[in-house]
Amino acid sequence: DGGITQSPKYLFRKEGQNVTLSCEQNLNHDAMYWYRQDPGQGLRLIYYSQIVNDFQKGDIAEGYSVSREKKESFPLTVTSAQKNPTAFYLCASSIRTGPQETQYFGPGTRLLVL
Amino acid sequence: AQSVTQLDSQVPVFEEAPVELRCNYSSSVSVYLFWYVQYPNQGLQLLLKYLSGSTLVKGINGFEAEFNKSQTSFHLRKPSVHISDTAEYFCAVSEFGITGGGNKLTFGTGTQLKVEL
Repeated sequence: DGGITQSPKYLFRKEGQNVTLSCEQNLNHDAMYWYRQDPGQGLRLIYYSQIVNDFQKGDIAEGYSVSREKKESFPLTVTSAQKNPTAFYLCASSIRTGPQETQYFGPGTRLLVL
Repeated sequence: AQSVTQLDSQVPVFEEAPVELRCNYSSSVSVYLFWYVQYPNQGLQLLLKYLSGSTLVKGINGFEAEFNKSQTSFHLRKPSVHISDTAEYFCAVSEFGITGGGNKLTFGTGTQLKVEL
């Protein structure tokens, strides 16, 4: 059954703690993305990766880090430098067919600060 | 830079009535356009997309959208809504032919569709 999985569904972070959100896809997609969703603000791009071992900052990368060691995995670490981490985090992947791509999304992880 | 405006943050509608969710975009180049739906505490699901060709695009769950280049709009419509259509709807745009930047989508702020009996 192909798709994008994110874990955990809910994650709690203590002050000063780094936490890592998992994103895995078995769609053989080349590109992967991380978005943050806050109420009334839509989705904002944190990081994206077009190929293994390469990634670029999005619009709100400060306080976050990523890695892309395998094609199917793109974990996001929320560091202690991110002062307002409470949000819904969505992972997406896409494959390029000619000049266009379509992004498909995982079910999301909700991060809450204790 | 591209941008997307969804002017209506909430749209209440009675079941079996028609609905239109508005989306306007701004871009200096040709664009691809998308509508996604999000049910509570879930990820986004692709409803439909406009890449090229016919300006009327049909999607899943009976939704359709029309691309209007002169008005830079991509409004979403459904002739008769159901309770199960209650969800948040996002319009998104990506610019045609952008290289080296991935497929960066710019999203609107979303429209909450609430279908009432």
